[in-house]
Amino acid sequence: GAVVSQHPSRVICKSGTSVKIECRSLDFQATTMFWYRQFPKKSLMLMATSNEGSKATYEQGVEKDKFLINHASLTLSTLTVTSAHPEDSSFYICSAKRTNSYEQYFGPGTRLTVT
Amino acid sequence: RKEVEQDPGPFNVPEGATVAFNCTYSNSASQSFFWYRQDCRKEPKLLMSVYSSGNEDGRFTAQLNRASQYISLLIRDSKLSDSATYLCVFGWMDSSYKLIFGSGTRLLVRP
Repeated sequence: GAVVSQHPSRVICKSGTSVKIECRSLDFQATTMFWYRQFPKKSLMLMATSNEGSKATYEQGVEKDKFLINHASLTLSTLTVTSAHPEDSSFYICSAKRTNSYEQYFGPGTRLTVT
Repeated sequence: RKEVEQDPGPFNVPEGATVAFNCTYSNSASQSFFWYRQDCRKEPKLLMSVYSSGNEDGRFTAQLNRASQYISLLIRDSKLSDSATYLCVFGWMDSSYKLIFGSGTRLLVRP
């Protein structure tokens, strides 16, 4: 299967700061990447769809100015959590898909803790 | 009504047992179905796609019932390593490629 990496795997930051999470497809070009958030014992919730070279599409209830997404190349998408608050603490997971394929390959996730 | 409903479990079974999970979905327009497996504090991994005719992969059998809007997963001869959370996932075959995840059914296989 395809390989997707995420960095960092774990981050602790102070309230009010911003955190950037990178998602990379290592062995294929991903025209579309997805960002999810998962709270403990809950399902993955899609936050946004990231398309290379265009603006991300956000799901209802997700603030685009709070969660900035940039998909500047076919192998890299970034999610920046701006002015983080403790309620933003969660497990953030990205996935990537090949063109014309439905299968999504997931990154290992980033555990964000905001103190 | 939730888009995807799963029994959270946990299902606690002995090694070697057969266990089955069901998952119901509310959107009849859903066209692609999957079972993912998620280990504790890890990312989900695709276990198998679910086809209308039903499909089998080793000890795992998946079924789709469109009329009743549910999918099922059967695990035969359970192994300790099968202990995980099993996520029911569906998507639309349109340009969005979005996937909707259930909250998962937890399986514990004991020695």
